[in-house]
Amino acid sequence: NAGVTQTPKFQVLKTGQSMTLQCAQDMNHEYMSWYRQDPGMGLRLIHYSVGAGITDQGEVPNGYNVSRSTTEDFPLRLLSAAPSQTSVYFCASSRPGTFVNTEAFFGQGTRLTVV
Amino acid sequence: KNEVEQSPQNLTAQEGEFITINCSYSVGISALHWLQQHPGGGIVSLFMLSSGKKKHGRLIATINIQEKHSSLHITASHPRDSAVYICAQGTSGSRLTFGEGTQLTVNP
Repeated sequence: NAGVTQTPKFQVLKTGQSMTLQCAQDMNHEYMSWYRQDPGMGLRLIHYSVGAGITDQGEVPNGYNVSRSTTEDFPLRLLSAAPSQTSVYFCASSRPGTFVNTEAFFGQGTRLTVV
Repeated sequence: KNEVEQSPQNLTAQEGEFITINCSYSVGISALHWLQQHPGGGIVSLFMLSSGKKKHGRLIATINIQEKHSSLHITASHPRDSAVYICAQGTSGSRLTFGEGTQLTVNP
């Protein structure tokens, strides 16, 4: 199993450009999330999904869009990139955790620089 | 909002030393996660615990629900243990609240 796969690993964007960060998992996990990691701060939740067709906002959703058309894929779209979105982005997946604590599986991260 | 705080922020040790990293949280939780992030950037889950203690190899994680505190211990530390160790809380592995992380450097 590949686990959680993120692409690309590195990206440089100009201010105002749009792009999509890809995330795919092959573990049939219903829950998927996007986090961003910035220096001096813990990872923060951007958006999450509890299943195909269901998404919701996390702590820092502004400037990002998500959709979940399949269980496997959860892309993150930057609509109009800003320097404040320079960060390392992580995708994570897990089994449902409503009643049972579940372990998280992370992708390798995407390092995004907006100039 | 549940806050998660870790200490210390940075830790340097000599090979073979016993290491402790602490994590405190502000409200009752269902699960506390310990994660490891290597210099390459990838994050892996080490432990998920809601009570007591768990052990895996040289790593031991404990949690005290009454005191809202968890610790990660590394026995007989090795340079390959050098990484950022992160604690996080959350029931679902995909909706976690994270501490800032502890940068551990183990010198030979």
